[in-house]
Amino acid sequence: DTEVTQTPKHLVMGMTNKKSLKCEQHMGHRAMYWYKQKAKKPPELMFVYSYEKLSINESVPSRFSPECPNSSLLNLHLHALQPEDSALYLCASSQDAAGGSPIVGQFFGPGTRLTVL
Amino acid sequence: AQRVTQPEKLLSVFKGAPVELKCNYSYSGSPELFWYVQYSRQRLQLLLRHISRESIKGFTADLNKGETSFHLKKPFAQEEDSAMYYCALPHPNAGGTSYGKLTFGQGTILTVHP
Repeated sequence: DTEVTQTPKHLVMGMTNKKSLKCEQHMGHRAMYWYKQKAKKPPELMFVYSYEKLSINESVPSRFSPECPNSSLLNLHLHALQPEDSALYLCASSQDAAGGSPIVGQFFGPGTRLTVL
Repeated sequence: AQRVTQPEKLLSVFKGAPVELKCNYSYSGSPELFWYVQYSRQRLQLLLRHISRESIKGFTADLNKGETSFHLKKPFAQEEDSAMYYCALPHPNAGGTSYGKLTFGQGTILTVHP
């Protein structure tokens, strides 16, 4: 399996809801990432997990809470979001992050299109 | 500070014409650079890595350290090349080796007309 999968594809939620985004890869990659992408803009890094430990948090508001239950799974828990959080949320993985060189680059999932009402 | 610049937001060419998407970078060490492509309604895909010196879908990119550029080129554009293209540069960690964080350029939307 050489793909990163994400569920759900689309999500509509109210500002008081709690929801979760899920990401999975079975390529043996030990680094996983969450990005936020607005239309016609480059992805903005949110979080990096390296060997199941959070290694980068790009000053993301606490209403976004990442979780890495194991080396294949990455979750993003959402609570009390704002309409401006509406975006495409991308998950990615790579062979290594800390201490290694991501020469092969990052592999991206198809994203979850999130709309906050 | 590390920076990637793609000066053209939009680029239009006709089918069969050569195409060059520009990318300039600012980096103090020896850079590793990537080109990513995002076709309409598809995931972001890695297109090229400078370190592998490969040609994918007819595209090539050469790292020019003197001009700090990594332009993407194709001699004969096809309609299916129409997409958003991003140049990306990994961030170094404290030890100077590459890390997992990517700096993306702002992207160039390529449109190839029939």
